[in-house]
Amino acid sequence: AQSVTQPDIHITVSEGASLELRCNYSYGATPYLFWYVQSPGQGLQLLLKYFSGDTLVQGIKGFEAEFKRSQSSFNLRKPSVHWSDAAEYFCAVGATGTASKLTFGTGTRLQVTL
Amino acid sequence: DVKVTQSSRYLVKRTGEKVFLECVQDMDHENMFWYRQDPGLGLRLIYFSYDVKMKEKGDIPEGYSVSREKKERFSLILESASTNQTSMYLCASTAGGHEQYFGPGTRLTVT
Repeated sequence: AQSVTQPDIHITVSEGASLELRCNYSYGATPYLFWYVQSPGQGLQLLLKYFSGDTLVQGIKGFEAEFKRSQSSFNLRKPSVHWSDAAEYFCAVGATGTASKLTFGTGTRLQVTL
Repeated sequence: DVKVTQSSRYLVKRTGEKVFLECVQDMDHENMFWYRQDPGLGLRLIYFSYDVKMKEKGDIPEGYSVSREKKERFSLILESASTNQTSMYLCASTAGGHEQYFGPGTRLTVT
């Protein structure tokens, strides 16, 4: 079965600074990988996804993520964080033949200081 | 635009009550999911449905049941609510790929 680890529970960055959120997955084949964002009191919104092809994927709100098979990682990055990026971020992995089920990490809460 | 709605944003129920959480999607999606979200635990899958009247248990189905009588509607039922079911409940749907669309969530408190 697949699994996802987000090692950072809470991260604080200054507005304008760069951001990297870590995600490691465990799955035997090429996974489907996702990053979702959840603003306080809201549902989850898809930031970006990786299915195949180019290992650097661009998402909404200026986010990008890079799939590194050798490291089983799919880290999320943003060059310059805005105060509105404060939220909780979830990495998720899906496997083929699993009826579209996703396994989520435990999330990383991002705080942005002004 | 994609739309998943949940019947209540906040709900307060008493221990032992039967609780219904409703989810409706307007995208003609085959697959629908119910998760619960707890601090430090992320999202955990309770049940999912891949077609009308079809359902499968997720990782934490105990104490829950589901109903899908129509394609657009997926209901989560707590037969006898308990305090340890106090949580945020999220519904999602997908067309068959893995990209899931989420509703706004229902924060359930059982007292």
